[in-house]
Amino acid sequence: NAGVTQTPKFQVLKTGQSMTLQCAQDMNHNSMYWYRQDPGMGLRLIYYSASEGTTDKGEVPNGYNVSRLNKREFSLRLESAAPSQTSVYFCASSEFSPGVVYGYTFGSGTRLTVV
Amino acid sequence: DQQVKQNSPSLSVQEGRISILNCDYTNSMFDYFLWYKKYPAEGPTFLISISSIKDKNEDGRFTVFLNKSAKHLSLHIVPSQPGDSAVYFCAASARSNNNDMRFGAGTRLTVKP
Repeated sequence: NAGVTQTPKFQVLKTGQSMTLQCAQDMNHNSMYWYRQDPGMGLRLIYYSASEGTTDKGEVPNGYNVSRLNKREFSLRLESAAPSQTSVYFCASSEFSPGVVYGYTFGSGTRLTVV
Repeated sequence: DQQVKQNSPSLSVQEGRISILNCDYTNSMFDYFLWYKKYPAEGPTFLISISSIKDKNEDGRFTVFLNKSAKHLSLHIVPSQPGDSAVYFCAASARSNNNDMRFGAGTRLTVKP
């Protein structure tokens, strides 16, 4: 029962480098999300995908791109990393029905440092 | 603009006593509220939720209370146990926009033996 799997767990990047954070879920959930967690800020939504083939911006999308590769996988890409993107990144998934709110299942996070 | 606020960064209680974690929200469109629990080096896990049509929801030792007029909710843990020591996040969503869940900054609960 893997749930939501994120890779890598840790990463150090130099300013300007690019990288992709991977996320996969095995619960057959329709919706997937990327959040970042910063001290004193809680979790902030970067992008989400309500269903396979769709993606939408969240609260803090600037500097990021996403790809919903298939129903299982949702990746987050930093094209040119900046120190302000130093954070812990969480991927999550949930069921989806119009007008219904489900609790999310989160991965264990990726701790990213940009120097 | 934080629409969900947890004004207490930390809370310490004695084992066996009640823990009360508080949360305020500003967006009147929110009609569903959730609490998540997070241990170090793990992702948050869903704990309990409440719909705006209710004012209380109970699950074992955990009870969430909602005061819509005050835009305030609280999580009560009775009795508190050392294993409850974690960071607790309050979250809110609107069923009309149920892919945009907003989280508070979290409250770190420490339960002392």
